[in-house]
Amino acid sequence: GDKVKQSPSALSLQEGTNSALRCNFSIAATTVQWFLQNPRGSLMNLFYLVPGTKENGRLKSAFDSKESYSTLHIRDAQLEDSGTYFCAAEATNTGKLTFGDGTVLTVKP
Amino acid sequence: EAAVTQSPRNKVAVTGGKVTLSCNQTNNHNNMYWYRQDTGHGLRLIHYSYGAGSTEKGDIPDGYKASRPSQENFSLILELATPSQTSVYFCASGDESYEQYFGPGTRLTVL
Repeated sequence: GDKVKQSPSALSLQEGTNSALRCNFSIAATTVQWFLQNPRGSLMNLFYLVPGTKENGRLKSAFDSKESYSTLHIRDAQLEDSGTYFCAAEATNTGKLTFGDGTVLTVKP
Repeated sequence: EAAVTQSPRNKVAVTGGKVTLSCNQTNNHNNMYWYRQDTGHGLRLIHYSYGAGSTEKGDIPDGYKASRPSQENFSLILELATPSQTSVYFCASGDESYEQYFGPGTRLTVL
């Protein structure tokens, strides 16, 4: 969407390499969520962030509310990391999420 | 064990017909949401609710109604379905921090 822009729109990685996905916001975001949508269509929660950083295994995410962006870093990419990654911004304590259009990640052996 | 379930998972409807999509959550969350996802895009908010008896319009409410008869259940109603409403519909529940947890989705085709 226009209010939440994700980049890149598609990405191909070799297994074992690292990469970063980015979300830029044109709305005042209070919190950010990152999701992975698997090929079957299910949405898996990856991170819920207030301004700051979180790490979970090979994934690390940061949210800077002043500069209006968030990043998702993937370390040592595995085949099962393939899917579409969505970020979503929650605007000013409304509970309403605005989604980006996603980054399609393909990890190749 | 799934905390947010949706029914049906797949639905084919005719233009002008009435469609009801159901969502049930066992998270005991106050907030519930309905989104639609069109191919190649992110989710867009249709309606949401802060608790039993309440419904609020989201970003794209036209052509849809919502009903929240209880804490656990939230329905999305298409009174007169149109082909433009062919999409995948996701329900979510959320707590007071507004973190949201999604159901598996319902694929709706309107012919």
